[in-house]
Amino acid sequence: GNSVTQMEGPVTLSEEAFLTINCTYTATGYPSLFWYVQYPGEGLQLLLKATKADDKGSNKGFEATYRKETTSFHLEKGSVQVSDSAVYFCALSGTGAQKLVFGQGTRLTINP
Amino acid sequence: DTEVTQTPKHLVMGMTNKKSLKCEQHMGHRAMYWYKQKAKKPPELMFVYSYEKLSINESVPSRFSPECPNSSLLNLHLHALQPEDSALYLCASSRQLAASSTDTQYFGPGTRLTVL
Repeated sequence: GNSVTQMEGPVTLSEEAFLTINCTYTATGYPSLFWYVQYPGEGLQLLLKATKADDKGSNKGFEATYRKETTSFHLEKGSVQVSDSAVYFCALSGTGAQKLVFGQGTRLTINP
Repeated sequence: DTEVTQTPKHLVMGMTNKKSLKCEQHMGHRAMYWYKQKAKKPPELMFVYSYEKLSINESVPSRFSPECPNSSLLNLHLHALQPEDSALYLCASSRQLAASSTDTQYFGPGTRLTVL
């Protein structure tokens, strides 16, 4: 079945540091890939998505590229801010499926 | 606009109470979802409605009863809950693109439920 594996957290960085959160997946067919962010006490917000191989999703300085050859969708940001502190979930949606498969989430803390 | 609204924001109930959670979207989406999220875990799918019909029930106990009165509204009726049901309940919606993986789910802010 489909699955998503995220790097384990928590991750703690200083402001302006470079961020990478690793995400790899297992899926049949051609899934879509998503990053969602959850700020404390809130619901999930869609951060970015990619629907086919080599697509790059981007939003608010975050980027992720759909790499079919390595089955990866790593999240990157060049310079993080304190306001980026949150939990980040990688997820996939398989062909014809209504189910999102989530990774376990990575808690990110940015210190000033 | 990609807004999904949920009420109430917080709910405290006893094990003998009956309460309801509400979810609303005005994006013309035809699929709506209920998720349960425990602390430090990803959301777990509970129910999916597609064109106002229940299409997925992830073996959820009958003390949770979903209802979709129309294409914009989704309710979750709660009765005789247990303390372990305390969690954040999230609603989501999506366009419902047939046989497509590109459908994107948009989430509401959630209802924080505490069962005493």
